[in-house]
Amino acid sequence: DADVTQTPRNRITKTGKRIMLECSQTKGHDRMYWYRQDPGLGLRLIYYSFDVKDINKGEISDGYSVSRQAQAKFSLSLESAIPNQTALYFCATSIAWGDEQFFGPGTRLTVL
Amino acid sequence: SQQGEEDPQALSIQEGENATMNCSYKTSINNLQWYRQNSGRGLVHLILIRSNEREKHSGRLRVTLDTSKKSSSLLITASRAADTASYFCATENTGNQFYFGTGTSLTVIP
Repeated sequence: DADVTQTPRNRITKTGKRIMLECSQTKGHDRMYWYRQDPGLGLRLIYYSFDVKDINKGEISDGYSVSRQAQAKFSLSLESAIPNQTALYFCATSIAWGDEQFFGPGTRLTVL
Repeated sequence: SQQGEEDPQALSIQEGENATMNCSYKTSINNLQWYRQNSGRGLVHLILIRSNEREKHSGRLRVTLDTSKKSSSLLITASRAADTASYFCATENTGNQFYFGTGTSLTVIP
């Protein structure tokens, strides 16, 4: 009964493939975020959404796209995966910008 | 980069000792948060301190904020093996940008 869930938890894919990572939340929060984590670089913000009609690019949005299908669902797509997109991807939610964020368990993506 | 930087990058202490880690940032902030991450798992929020606050406590955690030096510290007292994790600071700056630091890896030896 996790509040923020991510699917899949692990994915191995090949260069050039289209990949979608999904995030669902039961916290009722309007704000949702996608981050990637690389060793030694901390978390970097890819995209964030304030509500279903408001989507914004983060620090590193190139090569990624997102879709906010509903308040509870926020998907991240890699249209044509490349090896340097191999990373740990996290979804998070918050009540308001700058407030405590609640993280999902992460998706480990490997692009060969 | 606008990220905060934690110091040290890695810290190893004996159980029962105190652990102190620091975060420095570059621009004026609205608030600063500390998160914990157990290996390969999602981050868990620990504490939020606003720019007009200087110190905050939560259980065995003590956070200080010095906006004049653009720095914060996280003190974990009486450490336990279960405190072994990576710790990240995150800043919301006055330009409404939000950044995580690079983290401190803490190992508490039983």
